[in-house]
Amino acid sequence: NAGVTQTPKFQVLKTGQSMTLQCAQDMNHEYMSWYRQDPGMGLRLIHYSVGAGITDQGEVPNGYNVSRSTTEDFPLRLLSAAPSQTSVYFCASSRGALGELNSYEQYFGPGTRLTVT
Amino acid sequence: TQLLEQSPQFLSIQEGENLTVYCNSSSVFSSLQWYRQEPGEGPVLLVTVVTGGEVKKLKRLTFQFGDARKDSSLHITAAQPGDTGLYLCAGGGGSEKLVFGKGTKLTVNP
Repeated sequence: NAGVTQTPKFQVLKTGQSMTLQCAQDMNHEYMSWYRQDPGMGLRLIHYSVGAGITDQGEVPNGYNVSRSTTEDFPLRLLSAAPSQTSVYFCASSRGALGELNSYEQYFGPGTRLTVT
Repeated sequence: TQLLEQSPQFLSIQEGENLTVYCNSSSVFSSLQWYRQEPGEGPVLLVTVVTGGEVKKLKRLTFQFGDARKDSSLHITAAQPGDTGLYLCAGGGGSEKLVFGKGTKLTVNP
């Protein structure tokens, strides 16, 4: 199993450009999420999905869109990049079985380092 | 809003020393997870604790969940350079949304 994969590893954008960060998992996990990690801020939840066709907002959703058409894929779209979106982005997945507390353990991808100039 | 505070924020020690890092909240969590993150990589799960007062050991690492399920600690015995990394705690309320602390950056010098 490859686990959680993310592409690209690095990306530089100009202000106003759009792009999609790709995320895929091969563990048949129902729950997937996107986080951003900034110095001194920890991991902050952007959007999450509890299954194909179902998404919801996290703590910092503005400027980002997501969709979940398959169990495996959960892309994150930046609509119009801003310097404030310079960050490291992590995708994560978990089994998310209701009532099983251990099933919310997160498996993270290697991250995408995004710079917006 | 649930918050998790981790302390200390930075810790630099010599190989062979013992250390404890803390994760505290005013909120009750159903579960508490600890992750370690190395530079340039994603966090990797170390342990999950779900019962108040629970203690789990992973080789030289000992994790404890507070009796009231509001706090947790990670103790490392005889630290090694390979323990260097960012240690993150994450609290769960029994659903898919976790709350992460800001982390403790540990450096173990040879």
